[in-house]
Amino acid sequence: DADVTQTPRNRITKTGKRIMLECSQTKGHDRMYWYRQDPGLGLRLIYYSFDVKDINKGEISDGYSVSRQAQAKFSLSLESAIPNQTALYFCATQRGWGNYEQYFGPGTRLTVT
Amino acid sequence: DQQVKQNSPSLSVQEGRISILNCDYTNSMFDYFLWYKKYPAEGPTFLISISSIKDKNEDGRFTVFLNKSAKHLSLHIVPSQPGDSAVYFCAASGVRNTDKLIFGTGTRLQVFP
Repeated sequence: DADVTQTPRNRITKTGKRIMLECSQTKGHDRMYWYRQDPGLGLRLIYYSFDVKDINKGEISDGYSVSRQAQAKFSLSLESAIPNQTALYFCATQRGWGNYEQYFGPGTRLTVT
Repeated sequence: DQQVKQNSPSLSVQEGRISILNCDYTNSMFDYFLWYKKYPAEGPTFLISISSIKDKNEDGRFTVFLNKSAKHLSLHIVPSQPGDSAVYFCAASGVRNTDKLIFGTGTRLQVFP
C-alpha cells in the first residue's frame, strides 16, 4: 500500500466551483506539504504544516486554503476555482526537523474549465 | 526570483554513457541539497542528497557533486540506462532552519539505446 495517497487522482471542474483535494499518509510524519507543478516552473509550495496545530503559507497560497484534520490528513481547497489553477498537485510528508527528505504522493491532475 | 535553477530543460544521452544534470543556486545560506526523480503519472521520489559540508556523495550509479564557491551542483549517472529516463529536480534547503525545500524547474533526461 502507498504511504502517501491523494484523492482524487484526476478532476475536471468548472470556474467558480469549490473543490477539495485530499491527502492521507501512513508514514507517521508530522510535516505535510502541498505543491503544484506547472510546465517550466517546477514544484512550487502552496501551504505546509509542521503539526496539527500549525499551518503556514507557501510562496503561492493565494486562492487556496488548507485544513490539517489529523496528523495523517491534510486537505487543500480551492474556494472558487479559476482556469490558471489547472495544474498537477502533489502532497508530501517529512519526518521532522533536520530530516530533509520529503515523500510525495502520486499527484492529482486538476483541470479548471 | 528563482533561487534554484536548472538551465537545461532536457538532455538526451545514449545508453551506457554518462548523464550529467546541472543545478545552480543563488542563496549561500542553503546547506542541504537533494535530487528527485519523477516518472510520468507518479510523484517525485528521492534519489540522492548532499550536505554542504561535503563536496561529493555517491550511491551506486549516482554521484552528486557540490561546488559551494560556484553555487553549483551536478548529478552524474554512470552508466545511463533507459530506465533512468525521467524528469530530475534538484532542491535546496536549510535557510533559517525552516527545512522547506526550494525546487528547480526540472530537467527531462532521455536515455536512448
